Amino acid sequence: ETGVTQSPTHLIKTRGQQVTLRCSSQSGHNTVSWYQQALGQGPQFIFQYYREEENGRGNFPPRFSGLQFPNYSSELNVNALELDDSALYLCASSSTSASSYNEQFFGPGTRLTVL
Amino acid sequence: AQKITQTQPGMFVQEKEAVTLDCTYDTSDPSYGLFWYKQPSSGEMIFLIYQGSYDQQNATEGRYSLNFQKARKSANLVISASQLGDSAMYFCAMRGMNSGYSTLTFGKGTMLLVSP
Repeated sequence: ETGVTQSPTHLIKTRGQQVTLRCSSQSGHNTVSWYQQALGQGPQFIFQYYREEENGRGNFPPRFSGLQFPNYSSELNVNALELDDSALYLCASSSTSASSYNEQFFGPGTRLTVL
Repeated sequence: AQKITQTQPGMFVQEKEAVTLDCTYDTSDPSYGLFWYKQPSSGEMIFLIYQGSYDQQNATEGRYSLNFQKARKSANLVISASQLGDSAMYFCAMRGMNSGYSTLTFGKGTMLLVSP
């Protein structure tokens, strides 16, 4: 059973650019959630995808968008990057048919730096 | 809305001693789950322990136990016999059960340093 993987590990972009982060969910998981973790803070929920549809979103602007593919892998896209977008981006997968508490399994994260 | 408060920015403990990391929460959901995660410097969030709001007994997982006091809305993590490898950030998180989707609300975390 493979765990959650994310790519790339690190990324440096400049203001105004666009970025795409990728996540492969754990085998058998059909739900992917994305979180943003700024330095010194706890992760904040961006959005969640279930069976290729966005089914929940946190307080993030529309320039944060995502996709989920038929194999349940996912992308996070951020347009018009701002300095405050510098953060660790975490992907977590879960299964609605798993344990009663739907444990979320996290990937190692992508560290994005915006200059 | 859900809120998690971790009031200890940092904690120091000597190896082999026990340590308690505090967590209080606020929610209007009648049913919810509480989680603790460990985040080493590598960045990955590692699941430690879970407590359901209707669980009668406090959760335990090896050296980790959760001191759940529902009336006080607290869910403190107790680590017994600390090890050097326990040095990391620790996050308390909550998931409401009545949302149309499941997501986690995290606290700001507590940095634990274990000294020899």
